[in-house]
Amino acid sequence: EAGVTQFPSHSVIEKGQTVTLRCDPISGHDNLYWYRRVMGKEIKFLLHFVKESKQDESGMPNNRFLAERTGGTYSTLKVQPAELEDSGVYFCASSQGAGAIDTQYFGPGTRLTVL
Amino acid sequence: GDSVTQMEGPVTLSEEAFLTINCTYTATGYPSLFWYVQYPGEGLQLLLKATKADDKGSNKGFEATYRKETTSFHLEKGSVQVSDSAVYFCALSKSGYNKLIFGAGTRLAVHP
Repeated sequence: EAGVTQFPSHSVIEKGQTVTLRCDPISGHDNLYWYRRVMGKEIKFLLHFVKESKQDESGMPNNRFLAERTGGTYSTLKVQPAELEDSGVYFCASSQGAGAIDTQYFGPGTRLTVL
Repeated sequence: GDSVTQMEGPVTLSEEAFLTINCTYTATGYPSLFWYVQYPGEGLQLLLKATKADDKGSNKGFEATYRKETTSFHLEKGSVQVSDSAVYFCALSKSGYNKLIFGAGTRLAVHP
């Protein structure tokens, strides 16, 4: 069974540009999460999809970030326009259930560098 | 708000040494507790978890016990190997709030 995949693995862009990150969850997982780790600090929650609906987007830093999950399959996270402080590693995770004990399976992450 | 605090790294050990990585949490209610591990070039993998007080999670020789009285979930391994070199993250989640709340991570380097 394929795990969570993310694309690209690395992205280097200049301030003011737009970047779109993609996440493909494990097949059959209705729950999809985005997290971010900035400068070696703690990994912080961004948002949670249940199928195509945003269940919790309390961690989205500002309106420059837009997440979508069309058809309840893969998800994209767009940053427009990118700022220096957006640099970090963006992780996607998926789970079958949405309970506190349901295991979230993580992708390898996308390392974003904004110059 | 809820939070997780881990000991700062890096932790450097020789092979076969005893490992402890401290983790304490602040949370209302009764969270579930997790240890995730990130090996170089890979995503986070669940290492072990515990869902209630006094539960012990274990996997691959690692153990952690959910101590509500000290709000701790310290990770231990009796004899580390070079292949255990990775970044370890302590995390919690609560019923009704599906997000994981992570600590800052602790890098472990094991030398032969």
